[in-house]
Amino acid sequence: AQSVTQPDIHITVSEGASLELRCNYSYGATPYLFWYVQSPGQGLQLLLKYFSGDTLVQGIKGFEAEFKRSQSSFNLRKPSVHWSDAAEYFCAVNTGNQFYFGTGTSLTVIP
Amino acid sequence: EAQVTQNPRYLITVTGKKLTVTCSQNMNHEYMSWYRQDPGLGLRQIYYSMNVEVTDKGDVPEGYKVSRKEKRNFPLILESPSPNQTSLYFCASSKSGSEYGLDFFREQFFGPGTRLTVL
Repeated sequence: AQSVTQPDIHITVSEGASLELRCNYSYGATPYLFWYVQSPGQGLQLLLKYFSGDTLVQGIKGFEAEFKRSQSSFNLRKPSVHWSDAAEYFCAVNTGNQFYFGTGTSLTVIP
Repeated sequence: EAQVTQNPRYLITVTGKKLTVTCSQNMNHEYMSWYRQDPGLGLRQIYYSMNVEVTDKGDVPEGYKVSRKEKRNFPLILESPSPNQTSLYFCASSKSGSEYGLDFFREQFFGPGTRLTVL
């Protein structure tokens, strides 16, 4: 069965520090991969997506993610975190007809 | 403005009282889907529709119904709600794509969410 794993339930970083959020997926073929962000009380906003081609993809708000087929991973990174990045982050996979989401990583940013 | 709308945004009801949550998109997307979000469980797909009159179960379809009579609308029906259906519900839509002979669906656009409480 397809699945998405986000091993970190909660991460705390200092403002200005770098960030990496982990995502691993289980799927037989190359999936289509997404990262979404959910601010408190809000809906989900797409940060970036990977369909094919260059395995390093750039998104909005200074985020990037790298697809590593050998590790079945699609980790999200940001070189310098801002206080406004505090939110919940979801990794998602499209495997044809269905979408699967991870359980999310909650990010706290301390000044 | 391109958007997915849901109504109502908040709903408190009692066990067994049928309810419908509406979802509408104005982007002419083929794919629409319903999710529920629960703490620690992320988003789980309830039902999805690949186009008009084509619907299928997601991972947690029990207790829910859907229909897709028009491309823009995808209502979620709870015929006899129970307290374990208390949750935050999201509708989403997506455009279809094709690559290397395989069909897939592009990124989803989400509605603002409906917070449902069943007493």
